[in-house]
Amino acid sequence: AQKVTQAQTEISVVEKEDVTLDCVYETRDTTYYLFWYKQPPSGELVFLIRRNSFDEQNEISGRYSWNFQKSTSSFNFTITASQVVDSAVYFCASSGGNNRKLIWGLGTSLAVNP
Amino acid sequence: DTAVSQTPKYLVTQMGNDKSIKCEQNLGHDTMYWYKQDSKKFLKIMFSYNNKELIINETVPNRFSPKSPDKAHLNLHINSLELGDSAVYFCASSQTVMAYYGYTFGSGTRLTVV
Repeated sequence: AQKVTQAQTEISVVEKEDVTLDCVYETRDTTYYLFWYKQPPSGELVFLIRRNSFDEQNEISGRYSWNFQKSTSSFNFTITASQVVDSAVYFCASSGGNNRKLIWGLGTSLAVNP
Repeated sequence: DTAVSQTPKYLVTQMGNDKSIKCEQNLGHDTMYWYKQDSKKFLKIMFSYNNKELIINETVPNRFSPKSPDKAHLNLHINSLELGDSAVYFCASSQTVMAYYGYTFGSGTRLTVV
């Protein structure tokens, strides 16, 4: 069965600090997909990234970067030089190749303080 | 134009009432979903429809009834509302019935039952 674990329930940092949000996944599928979503205080769920199991290259988008490591079944998310606007709940999710629904982690609540 | 729009954004109602939430997507996606997010931010899938056909029907009280008149619309009707139904309900859509494309979410409907 698939499972996504976000062990960090809450993280609090001071602005400009770097912060890494951990995501560990479990799957028996050889083809699978991993996602990160952001839920800011305003409540909407915003797609950040989608990664397939055949692409282990790290991804960088501005201050955001993602580290996918199959050896440790992890898909971690790093925010560099965090800002107050990064305060949100971040969800990691996965889907096997033939799954009809995403498997969600419980989310990590990130507070970036001025 | 909003990609996935749901109305109303807020809904406050008394126990025992019946209420509906509407959702529309203009992305041309085949599949639509209803999710419930509780106070602890846990995301739980309720239903999904693919081209008007019910695909996923999780363990949800039968007071909840989804209806999809066409693939661009998915509504949720709730009978005899209970206090425990208070939550944020998200509509989402996906390109196909397979979840590996990820979802586009609506902005959510915050339901409060008093």
